[in-house]
Amino acid sequence: AQTVTQSQPEMSVQEAETVTLSCTYDTSENNYYLFWYKQPPSRQMILVIRQEAYKQQNATENRFSVNFQKAAKSFSLKISDSQLGDTAMYFCALIQGAQKLVFGQGTRLTINP
Amino acid sequence: AAGVIQSPRHLIKEKRETATLKCYPIPRHDTVYWYQQGPGQDPQFLISFYEKMQSDKGSIPDRFSAQQFSDYHSELNMSSLELGDSALYFCASSEVWVAGELFFGEGSRLTVL
Repeated sequence: AQTVTQSQPEMSVQEAETVTLSCTYDTSENNYYLFWYKQPPSRQMILVIRQEAYKQQNATENRFSVNFQKAAKSFSLKISDSQLGDTAMYFCALIQGAQKLVFGQGTRLTINP
Repeated sequence: AAGVIQSPRHLIKEKRETATLKCYPIPRHDTVYWYQQGPGQDPQFLISFYEKMQSDKGSIPDRFSAQQFSDYHSELNMSSLELGDSALYFCASSEVWVAGELFFGEGSRLTVL
């Protein structure tokens, strides 16, 4: 069975700082995809970044980047130059096979002015 | 660009009543997923459909049923509602051959009194 674990229930940083959110997962498959989703107070689920397991290069989207360690089954999200609008719940998620997303428990990130 | 449309956005029901949620996927998307997110919890997979056939089933109660219609929209029917059914219900859609690209709607918030 697939599992996704986020060990940081809450984090808080000052605006413009860099913050890293942790995620570990477990899967027996070799081909899968990992995601970070952002859920702001509006509650919409917004895709932040996506990583294919067969790619060794870490994905990057503007201020968002990941550190994908396949052997360690670790997938952390780094947010650089954090902004007030980054305040949200962040979910790590895994998908394989029939495309059923499995989510972690979420990390509540607060960016303070 | 067109997004996943869910209706209604908010719904209030009494215990033991019935509720129906609708989801209109992005045009040309052939797969629809339903997720349930309880207060303070991560989204849990309920059920998915590909080309109008059920493709996967998660933790969906027997009181719930769903289907995908010929125009690819989907409906989630919930009967004998319980207080614990109060949650945010997300619909997502994708093209089955584009692995890992799920697009979420804004969710339907169900409150059971």
